[in-house]
Amino acid sequence: AQSVTQPDIHITVSEGASLELRCNYSYGATPYLFWYVQSPGQGLQLLLKYFSGDTLVQGIKGFEAEFKRSQSSFNLRKPSVHWSDAAEYFCAVGAPDSSYKLIFGSGTRLLVRP
Amino acid sequence: GAVVSQHPSWVICKSGTSVKIECRSLDFQATTMFWYRQFPKKSLMLMATSNEGSKATYEQGVEKDKFLINHASLTLSTLTVTSAHPEDSSFYICSAREGTPNTGELFFGEGSRLTVL
Repeated sequence: AQSVTQPDIHITVSEGASLELRCNYSYGATPYLFWYVQSPGQGLQLLLKYFSGDTLVQGIKGFEAEFKRSQSSFNLRKPSVHWSDAAEYFCAVGAPDSSYKLIFGSGTRLLVRP
Repeated sequence: GAVVSQHPSWVICKSGTSVKIECRSLDFQATTMFWYRQFPKKSLMLMATSNEGSKATYEQGVEKDKFLINHASLTLSTLTVTSAHPEDSSFYICSAREGTPNTGELFFGEGSRLTVL
């Protein structure tokens, strides 16, 4: 079965600074990888996903993520953070032998300093 | 993108009563829907996979008699919390898959906050 780890519970960055949120997965092959964002009391919005192909994936709101097989990682990045990016970010993994149901990491809360 | 709607957005009920939460895919057909539970400041825990026309598949540790799931049509799945107790208070989120399992994107509802008094 697949699993996913987000080692950072919360991260604080200054507005305009760059951001990297870490995600590591455990699975025997290459899973499907996702990043979602959740604002307080809201549902989830998909930022980007990786199924195959180019390992650098572009998403919405200026986010990108890079799949690194050797490190079993799928870190989320943004070159310049905006105050509106403050939210909870979840990495998720899906795999064919579990009907591609998504298993979520514990989440990273992003705080943005003015 | 596709829209998934949950109703109600929030509900308060007395202990011992049952509560039904609906999950609808508004502009696509979803053969598979998933139900998640999220505790405060915690991640989403997958409760069950709901397949249209068949019984739901529950994750280990989830009581199927407590959390009844019905997926009667390609656009509607319901979660009924039976004989709710305060420990069932949580944020319940559904998601629906558009397309085939290995290509379809999951779309999430806005969530339903249940408070059991």
